[in-house]
Amino acid sequence: AQSVAQPEDQVNVAEGNPLTVKCTYSVSGNPYLFWYVQYPNRGLQFLLKYITGDNLVKGSYGFEAEFNKSQTSFHLKKPSALVSDSALYFCAVRDHSNYQLIWGAGTKLIIKP
Amino acid sequence: KAGVTQTPRYLIKTRGQQVTLSCSPISGHRSVSWYQQTPGQGLQFLFEYFSETQRNKGNFPGRFSGRQFSNSRSEMNVSTLELGDSALYLCASSLVGTGTQETQYFGPGTRLLVL
Repeated sequence: AQSVAQPEDQVNVAEGNPLTVKCTYSVSGNPYLFWYVQYPNRGLQFLLKYITGDNLVKGSYGFEAEFNKSQTSFHLKKPSALVSDSALYFCAVRDHSNYQLIWGAGTKLIIKP
Repeated sequence: KAGVTQTPRYLIKTRGQQVTLSCSPISGHRSVSWYQQTPGQGLQFLFEYFSETQRNKGNFPGRFSGRQFSNSRSEMNVSTLELGDSALYLCASSLVGTGTQETQYFGPGTRLLVL
């Protein structure tokens, strides 16, 4: 069965430190992976996606994600966290059978000043 | 380009009532998907419409229905509301929905509270 796991419900990082939000996936066929961010009382905003090519994908707001096929992971990273990065982050993978996105449960990122 | 818009942004209803939510996709986008987001269940897929036809459906009861118009605008309807229907309802649009590289773009959501 195809699935996405975000093993951490919450990640706490001090401002200025690097951050990582973890995502692992299970999918048949080539993985097409996405990260979205949701600020309070807002819809989801697209951050970045991996389709093919370079394993390091750069996205919006200074975020990047590293695709690791052997570990079936697609972790979201940022070299220096900002308080304004505090939000809910979702990882998703495309289901090839119906083209829909399979979503992780979300990780709450808290950046402390 | 204008983004995905959803109306209304907030709704308060009572049990047993019905509600209709509206979504206007990004211009040129023909696929519209609906999601329910709750703290306990996360993001759950409701259904997807393309060319006025429901193409995919999630695991929700028949009280949840939707439709799409020729201009790609979509509505979803929930009949006989239950307390558990309180949630943020998100609409997302994409070009045709079947492109592997396609990105879904989300609206701000409609917050429904059922009392």
